[in-house]
Amino acid sequence: NAGVMQNPRHLVRRRGQEARLRCSPMKGHSHVYWYRQLPEEGLKFMVYLQKENIIDESGMPKERFSAEFPKEGPSILRIQQVVRGDSAAYFCASSSNRVATGELFFGEGSRLTVL
Amino acid sequence: AQKITQTQPGMFVQEKEAVTLDCTYDTSDQSYGLFWYKQPSSGEMIFLIYQGSYDEQNATEGRYSLNFQKARKSANLVISASQLGDSAMYFCAMRDNNDMRFGAGTRLTVKP
Repeated sequence: NAGVMQNPRHLVRRRGQEARLRCSPMKGHSHVYWYRQLPEEGLKFMVYLQKENIIDESGMPKERFSAEFPKEGPSILRIQQVVRGDSAAYFCASSSNRVATGELFFGEGSRLTVL
Repeated sequence: AQKITQTQPGMFVQEKEAVTLDCTYDTSDQSYGLFWYKQPSSGEMIFLIYQGSYDEQNATEGRYSLNFQKARKSANLVISASQLGDSAMYFCAMRDNNDMRFGAGTRLTVKP
């Protein structure tokens, strides 16, 4: 029973390029959360998605960032025209429901480095 | 707005002693969950312990216990008999019906 799978684990991009981070939730999970962690800092909420719906994107920067969770396939976090400040670890987590008592299961993170 | 506060950026503890990591939270929801995660230097997030807002007893998981004081809105993590492998970042988190937010974390260092 595979856990939350994120890929790539490490991604290097030059300024101005696009970064695509993928997250496959645990089997049976339909809720996905994305978090960003800057070096030596905590996790910052970015977006919460259910299948085909964005539930809460209050933590997403207004420009260059987008996220989707299609009916089929993984959730995608897309960063256009990356800048050095986008360098961070991006964590995906999934859960089976929205209920407050449900635990989130985390992937191992994708580490983006912008040169 | 939901808010999680961890006031201790760093903590030191002697091996085999107990340590308490502080966490306070703020929410207007009646139903919520409180979590602690450990992040070692390798970077993965490891779930440690969970406390539901309606649970009357403090949660325990092995050497981890959660000191839940609902009226004070605090959910401190107690680690007993510290081990060298406990050295890591520790994050408190709260999940309500909207989303899950994390505190800034506490870096725990266990000294031999």
